[in-house]
Amino acid sequence: RKEVEQDPGPFNVPEGATVAFNCTYSNSASQSFFWYRQDCRKEPKLLMSVYSSGNEDGRFTAQLNRASQYISLLIRDSKLSDSATYLCVVTRRNFNKFYFGSGTKLNVKP
Amino acid sequence: GAVVSQHPSWVICKSGTSVKIECRSLDFQATTMFWYRQFPKQSLMLMATSNEGSKATYEQGVEKDKFLINHASLTLSTLTVTSAHPEDSSFYICSAIQGPGQPQHFGDGTRLSIL
Repeated sequence: RKEVEQDPGPFNVPEGATVAFNCTYSNSASQSFFWYRQDCRKEPKLLMSVYSSGNEDGRFTAQLNRASQYISLLIRDSKLSDSATYLCVVTRRNFNKFYFGSGTKLNVKP
Repeated sequence: GAVVSQHPSWVICKSGTSVKIECRSLDFQATTMFWYRQFPKQSLMLMATSNEGSKATYEQGVEKDKFLINHASLTLSTLTVTSAHPEDSSFYICSAIQGPGQPQHFGDGTRLSIL
């Protein structure tokens, strides 16, 4: 079983839509959680860290559910510029090992 | 803050050439740096983890003699692809962390094409 699993998508949504992605992780010892976005042929960029209490940054909201071992990312009022691949990243207690999901592709259409 | 610079961005060279890629943390000291490669439409694949002053830890299947990693300081790690061949053509990306539990910050990546 993979450490981190994501639905590859693609999620095709119209501008202005709300879209949510989930990411499941297999190891209960996982400690830190992040969402990155990666544009085509570019490096991943940190979107947000995910905290136990959940956190929000503008149109983006991240949640962590330790009991069910998943994290989520909600994007409200989608923009064309949100089109990208969203990567879920999880680390374990030793912190030096990062586990990447394979990414969820989002296409926001006019 | 937390800027990572990677150089060069593009390399095109002949088969058999060795290519050196630099990764620098510009505004922080990186306890650990990571090297990845990514093929088109595929996920990032971790190649090795590098701590300053110690030998890199390579992932299974990655040849340490082929991909030489040097982490001479807290702000610089280098990856040398020795005697590169067309199958080594890929997108190589480095990243760095400031400390335990911190997110990775990625360099811009290096697109390597071996003819």
